[in-house]
Amino acid sequence: ETGVTQSPTHLIKTRGQQVTLRCSSQSGHNTVSWYQQALGQGPQFIFQYYREEENGRGNFPPRFSGLQFPNYSSELNVNALELDDSALYLCASSLAKSTDTQYFGPGTRLTVL
Amino acid sequence: GEDVEQSLFLSVREGDSSVINCTYTDSSSTYLYWYKQEPGAGLQLLTYIFSNMDMKQDQRLTVLLNKKDKHLSLRIADTQTGDSAIYFCAESYGSSNTGKLIFGQGTTLQVKP
Repeated sequence: ETGVTQSPTHLIKTRGQQVTLRCSSQSGHNTVSWYQQALGQGPQFIFQYYREEENGRGNFPPRFSGLQFPNYSSELNVNALELDDSALYLCASSLAKSTDTQYFGPGTRLTVL
Repeated sequence: GEDVEQSLFLSVREGDSSVINCTYTDSSSTYLYWYKQEPGAGLQLLTYIFSNMDMKQDQRLTVLLNKKDKHLSLRIADTQTGDSAIYFCAESYGSSNTGKLIFGQGTTLQVKP
């Protein structure tokens, strides 16, 4: 158990809809990173938040956005869903923002029809 | 560039040793990680090695790092059926102050009884 939780476990949406995924970090961890894992692939970095500010972004379009809250919870929002957004979305929390070890949650499986 | 390469599949017999290999590209990586993913689950941190180390042993796990060749390996001694999973190596990428992890595609380890 990493102490990182995510909700919901599974989600089905249709193309064009919007979705919000939630993550609760380990207490005291002020950094959260989000990753997208397509089927059969390794996780791809979406972005990282540190103390409620975005602290780095991967090659994802602006329709992927995030929020981090003072209570160690965070959200990943995806607008205008596309079929290729179907994936496992993982959040990871860490104590510091650069090289500290990241602890992953169980993920949210998003299916876009 | 950002690239981490792993072989896709490894099959061993129970009780044998397993060796999973990985090559990476960023010579400035500070830490290199091994994560385990069981079907339908998130990523479990197995072990990590600091870039100024050559070897790290943790119970049945041995990590070897050849920084000159940018080659990382994970050896699992006395492999058990419960070790069957996908194993990802990851490097902490870049000199910026973002803890972005770059993952390989994953190696599926099959342990036959």
